[in-house]
Amino acid sequence: EIVLTQSPATLSLSPGERATLSCRASQSVSNYLAWYQQKPGRAPRLLIYDASNRATGIPARFSGSGSGTDFTLTISSLEPDDFAVYYCQQRSHLFNFGPGTKVDLK
Amino acid sequence: EVQLVESGGGLVQPGGSLRLSCAASGFTFSNYNMNWVRQAPGKGLEWISYISGTITTTYYADSLKGRFTISRDNAKNSLYLQIDNLRDEDTAVYYCARSWGRGWFDSWGQGTLVTVSS
Repeated sequence: EIVLTQSPATLSLSPGERATLSCRASQSVSNYLAWYQQKPGRAPRLLIYDASNRATGIPARFSGSGSGTDFTLTISSLEPDDFAVYYCQQRSHLFNFGPGTKVDLK
Repeated sequence: EVQLVESGGGLVQPGGSLRLSCAASGFTFSNYNMNWVRQAPGKGLEWISYISGTITTTYYADSLKGRFTISRDNAKNSLYLQIDNLRDEDTAVYYCARSWGRGWFDSWGQGTLVTVSS
């Protein structure tokens, strides 16, 4: 089983700041990695797929990078709507999610 | 517009069974692989199961094999999840999600809450 580790668990930032979220896989997943955003009481939303491609309708301030075992989601300048929990997901071997990073208001 | 609507959740006693449904609309259901994902209260996302559009292939999370059965009826545009021998730790919101591209979950339902308690 591939284990995904996300860091930090919580990121406290202010609007306008840059957010850098990390996801590490226990073995290579190539670029079979996605990022999702989830707000309280809502279903997750696909942000990034294939490690670096933005999903339909996702603003350009969201970007993904990495391959193999180390991946990064960057939000270039936080908007008020971006405070949420972010999950990475691999589908190299079946599917599973990381534990999430909560981006909250400083 | 793609819509996924789950139903069938509720309060169930430990040891009981439940069948969750997901009604799909706004796309050609049989062309898409589908999944179930759950989220326990205050916890992260847990993938449960996958079924191909042709119904020829199913996968389950290793930790959940045996009590969960995924199925679909393409004529009814519906996805199902049978859960047997329910345990307290199965308490969660259960989501259905459509697979797109190389397997990414591009559309999700609103979820249905399953509470296991005596």
